[in-house]
Amino acid sequence: SQQGEEDPQALSIQEGENATMNCSYKTSINNLQWYRQNSGRGLVHLILIRSNEREKHSGRLRVTLDTSKKSSSLLITASRAADTASYFCATDTGNQFYFGTGTSLTVIP
Amino acid sequence: NAGVMQNPRHLVRRRGQEARLRCSPMKGHSHVYWYRQLPEEGLKFMVYLQKENIIDESGMPKERFSAEFPKEGPSILRIQQVVRGDSAAYFCASSLSSIDTQYFGPGTRLTVL
Repeated sequence: SQQGEEDPQALSIQEGENATMNCSYKTSINNLQWYRQNSGRGLVHLILIRSNEREKHSGRLRVTLDTSKKSSSLLITASRAADTASYFCATDTGNQFYFGTGTSLTVIP
Repeated sequence: NAGVMQNPRHLVRRRGQEARLRCSPMKGHSHVYWYRQLPEEGLKFMVYLQKENIIDESGMPKERFSAEFPKEGPSILRIQQVVRGDSAAYFCASSLSSIDTQYFGPGTRLTVL
């Protein structure tokens, strides 16, 4: 089963706007990861944040992690049409690897 | 409806042996993806198969690794002549179609001695 819950399930924004997706989980983790899935392609790893980190940046991506609330957020700034995809968070407990339910992002040109 | 199943969950091999990892997709799913995860790293895509066909193997090493998804039976990821660097967790996922959500199995942890 998948322990992560993401919201919103679907998000539609205009090109240039920022997109924020949230992920909540249930158990203690070693790290949390965000992935992108384009239709018909394998998952692409975006960013990994460790349990002792609070924030991480990679290009237009910003990830935060709040272990007290067991939640994480992914911010994509200055979105582009090419960012249209499904985004998943995944938690690594060391023993198990869980995926969230995903957020479907549509960026309108 | 059972989820994606992988076996074995743990596999230990000595250098030079072969490792065979099995993935049974969810019922009705004909698309299978294989990923490798090294400790403290993200999943890395290896190969995408659709019943009897390899659609995308861009992430799979050219040598020693092969994958198949026969008409009947599970998908198999085969690693020949394993080396220590092959030690990792291998996950498979299945989906109903190329545009549907991928559902992940529990993974097989391969240890090469």
